Amino acid sequence: GQSLEQPSEVTAVEGAIVQINCTYQTSGFYGLSWYQQHDGGAPTFLSYNGLDGLEETGRFSSFLSRSDSYGYLLLQELQMKDSASYFCAVRYNAGNMLTFGGGTRLMVKP
Amino acid sequence: DGGITQSPKYLFRKEGQNVTLSCEQNLNHDAMYWYRQDPGQGLRLIYYSQIVNDFQKGDIAEGYSVSREKKESFPLTVTSAQKNPTAFYLCASSITPGRDEQFFGPGTRLTVL
Repeated sequence: GQSLEQPSEVTAVEGAIVQINCTYQTSGFYGLSWYQQHDGGAPTFLSYNGLDGLEETGRFSSFLSRSDSYGYLLLQELQMKDSASYFCAVRYNAGNMLTFGGGTRLMVKP
Repeated sequence: DGGITQSPKYLFRKEGQNVTLSCEQNLNHDAMYWYRQDPGQGLRLIYYSQIVNDFQKGDIAEGYSVSREKKESFPLTVTSAQKNPTAFYLCASSITPGRDEQFFGPGTRLTVL
């Protein structure tokens, strides 16, 4: 199946900015989404990029470059509550399935 | 409040027993999904349903079965044929098939002893 690559862990301090990258296989790419999951909890949808560029939602932004098969999630003004796992997910061939990456565990320190 | 419910939160079963996980939504969503999550890993799709009385296999359907007799309900049965059933199971829904925004239930943590 299609695979997505994202770092397994990232650590940052409160108030800082952190970028979580995601690379994907180009063939059949349709769109990139990001989800947040706190330990033991349900994933929640953060953002979607179908076209190149930056989408901003409050402290979180997501970017896509289709030519580079790459996207990232940018978290600004980090807070302790942002400590969670972040998953990128790709839809291929306009199908009905999402393929999830392995997740990036973000630890925010005081 | 609208949402997705899964029960129970924790489930223990003996090896060789079938077990059914419940998933109910009152969001009036057409599409529903079942995912499996192993520790420290991403979500893998087991089955999905676009509409009542229809469902499709995902990437890891072997050893699982589903039904979709009502729009609101999408139960998952973990059969004895599933080689390693201990995992965190997440149910999700989306307003239509192919929408990237999926809404997830709280999950059921299944442990097979």
